[in-house]
Amino acid sequence: GQQVMQIPQYQHVQEGEDFTTYCNSSTTLSNIQWYKQRPGGHPVFLIQLVKSGEVKKQKRLTFQFGEAKKNSSLHITATQTTDVGTYFCSLPNAGNNRKLIWGLGTSLAVNP
Amino acid sequence: DTGVSQDPRHKITKRGQNVTFRCDPISEHNRLYWYRQTLGQGPEFLTYFQNEAQLEKSRLLSDRFSAERPKGSFSTLEIQRTEQGDSAMYLCASSLVGTYGLTEAFFGQGTRLTVV
Repeated sequence: GQQVMQIPQYQHVQEGEDFTTYCNSSTTLSNIQWYKQRPGGHPVFLIQLVKSGEVKKQKRLTFQFGEAKKNSSLHITATQTTDVGTYFCSLPNAGNNRKLIWGLGTSLAVNP
Repeated sequence: DTGVSQDPRHKITKRGQNVTFRCDPISEHNRLYWYRQTLGQGPEFLTYFQNEAQLEKSRLLSDRFSAERPKGSFSTLEIQRTEQGDSAMYLCASSLVGTYGLTEAFFGQGTRLTVV
């Protein structure tokens, strides 16, 4: 069946360092979404990528969709303590694109 | 507040009791999802609705779980004869279908269930 892998599972950085999380799918995707969940909070939508090779930026966050549309990355430049949380990729289920399936997330900790 | 709201925020119940959670989605959204999340895991799909129709229920879900969305607006999730393994955060989300499929999902703040 369809598999979603997110790596790394945990990342601990010093404030000011960069951070990248990767999401890999076993199937070609129509789109991919990224969410952030703060500790104790609920997932909050960050962005949706649709086009092959697409790159989108939100301030210090850069999102990329792979050329083959099977992987994606989220890069944070110069992390801040406000970036702490778990970052999830979410993608349409291959058999039924009406529902989303989720990676296990990458938990980011930032030392001030 | 026009976001997704869930009630209650916290529920502590004794094993064997029934519990019911409510979700009020964003009013114009026709898709409503229920997820379960445990510590260190991503949201686990439980079921979803298109308007009032329940289109899919996870095979992982036992018969003790049932969900309804009677008028295509709010939804309820009931767990009968709760077990300690049911302890988790239950998340509700709503969305619309866009050109490329699902648009972003808006989540409620969740109901944290503790079964003692």
